[in-house]
This record gives sequence, structure tokens and C-alpha cells, in this order.
Amino acid sequence: AQTVTQSQPEMSVQEAETVTLSCTYDTSESNYYLFWYKQPPSRQMILVIRQEAYKQQNATENRFSVNFQKAAKSFSLKISDSQLGDTAMYFCAFIQGAQKLVFGQGTRLTINP
Amino acid sequence: AAGVIQSPRHLIKEKRETATLKCYPIPRHDTVYWYQQGPGQDPQFLISFYEKMQSDKGSIPDRFSAQQFSDYHSELNMSSLELGDSALYFCASSSQDREAEQFFGPGTRLTVL
Repeated sequence: AQTVTQSQPEMSVQEAETVTLSCTYDTSESNYYLFWYKQPPSRQMILVIRQEAYKQQNATENRFSVNFQKAAKSFSLKISDSQLGDTAMYFCAFIQGAQKLVFGQGTRLTINP
Repeated sequence: AAGVIQSPRHLIKEKRETATLKCYPIPRHDTVYWYQQGPGQDPQFLISFYEKMQSDKGSIPDRFSAQQFSDYHSELNMSSLELGDSALYFCASSSQDREAEQFFGPGTRLTVL
């Protein structure tokens, strides 16, 4: 069974700083997808970024980028120029095909003014 | 763009009562997923449907049942409610052309008293 681990329950940085959230996963599959979801206080689940396992190039979405290390089964999220609106719970998630998402335990990120 | 619609947004029930949660996927999305998120926890997969047939089943109690209708909307029926069923219930939908990407609704917050 696939598992996803986020080892940082909480993180806190100052506005405009760069922060990196860690995620590791375990799977025997070779073709899969990885995601980072953001859950602000409204509790809405918002897709931040996705990465296909067969793509070597790291995904980037504006201030958000990932460091995908397939051999190490690591998938970290970097947020540059952090903003107050980035304060949220961040979940790393794994999926293979049209199956269920498997989430990590989440990292609560606080951006301080 | 149209998003996933869930109703009701909030629901308060007594123990042993029943509840029905509804989900309306994004138009032309043929797969629906249900997730349960307890307080301070990550979302846990309950069940999914593809083309009105159950496609996968997770840790869904026997007291719960679900189905997908001909118009692709889905309903999660919960009977003999327990205090531990209090949670945020998410519905997500996806399409076959981007099968790994699930779009989440705003969730239904169920409180069992």
C-alpha cells in the first residue's frame, strides 16, 4: 500500500521568506502522480501543484515549485516570497491513475507579518 | 468555471439519526470520490464511483452507503450516526482525460450531537 509522510507538523516563517515543506512517500509503482494541496482556514481543498512521476522536470506554478527526487521518493514544496495568504495546512498527496488520493498528515504553515 | 457543488454545507444531527449528503460534480466529469476529514486529520478516502458503478472502496463503515445517479450526481447516506462521524465530508470529481486530477467541493460539515 502507498503511504505518504510529512515529518513537519508545523512551520512558521516571516513574510517574504522562502520556506520548504517536506514529503516522502512509499510505492512500488513506477507511474503515479504527486500533489500538494492547500487547506486554508475555510477548509477548502485547493490544488497547489502537481507532478507526474514520469517527468524529470520539476513542476513550477508561480511562487510554488517542487523538488521531485524519484529515486529517493521525496517530493518537497518550496514557496518563494511567502505571503500572509499562504498561511494554511498543506497536504502532500499521492495517486496512481484514477484511484484514491492518499494524503500525508499535513504541515501547518504560518506566515508571520 | 463550474466547480463541485456539495449540499448541505452544514448539517447537525442527533446520535442514531440518518443523514444524506449530496454532491454535484463538475459538468462532464464522470468519476466521483468521497473523503472524510476528522478534526486535525488528513482526508481519508471512503468510496468512489465511475460511470455510476462503484470503482473503489476505502474505510467506509457499513452504516454508510453511496451511489451515483444517471446525471452523475452522488449521494452519501449515513445511518445510525455516531459522535465519531462528526467530520468534514468532501466530494471530489475527475474526468478520464485528466484522471489523476481531482477537484474538491467545499465540503459538508457534519456535527453529530
